[in-house]
Amino acid sequence: AQSVTQPDIHITVSEGASLELRCNYSYGATPYLFWYVQSPGQGLQLLLKYFSGDTLVQGIKGFEAEFKRSQSSFNLRKPSVHWSDAAEYFCAVVPSNDYKLSFGAGTTVTVRA
Amino acid sequence: GAVVSQHPSWVICKSGTSVKIECRSLDFQATTMFWYRQFPKQSLMLMATSNEGSKATYEQGVEKDKFLINHASLTLSTLTVTSAHPEDSSFYICSAKGEGRGGRDEQFFGPGTRLTVL
Repeated sequence: AQSVTQPDIHITVSEGASLELRCNYSYGATPYLFWYVQSPGQGLQLLLKYFSGDTLVQGIKGFEAEFKRSQSSFNLRKPSVHWSDAAEYFCAVVPSNDYKLSFGAGTTVTVRA
Repeated sequence: GAVVSQHPSWVICKSGTSVKIECRSLDFQATTMFWYRQFPKQSLMLMATSNEGSKATYEQGVEKDKFLINHASLTLSTLTVTSAHPEDSSFYICSAKGEGRGGRDEQFFGPGTRLTVL
């Protein structure tokens, strides 16, 4: 079955440390890939997206993600987190033959001082 | 650019009443709008897709008579929760996409509406 998996429900990281959030997908063809961030009680903000081309994608707020076809992964990274990065992060895909977004379960990021 | 607004941002209503939520694209024409529902600590679940001037397409398990969607113009879609009950309490988020905005299939999200049914 087609799916988007975020294996980590909750990650706690120290301020200034690096962060990596995992995302795996299971689709026949490479879908369009997105990472969104949601602060408590807020809507979603797009961090970055991958449609094709360079597999290392730069986004806003210092985030980047790397598409690895062989691993069906699109992991999100940030070299040094700030307290303001504490939020819920969602990986999402749009299959190549569709237009609907499917979301992973989300990863909650807590930043400790 | 590509701003989507929702109104109201939160609403409390009595069981049995109907509630209307508006979703507007402020600076672009939204050919397609989507409505999502999000329970606490959970992901977004697509409820329905609406195209301007046509009937909405509902996802499996979503009651079309319960959640009425109207996409009357290229900048406005409304979701009406009819005869609301406490189990309808949730965070409702809309998104929109339009020609020439963002990459193909990119959606722009509203800030969400928190519905609490007493």
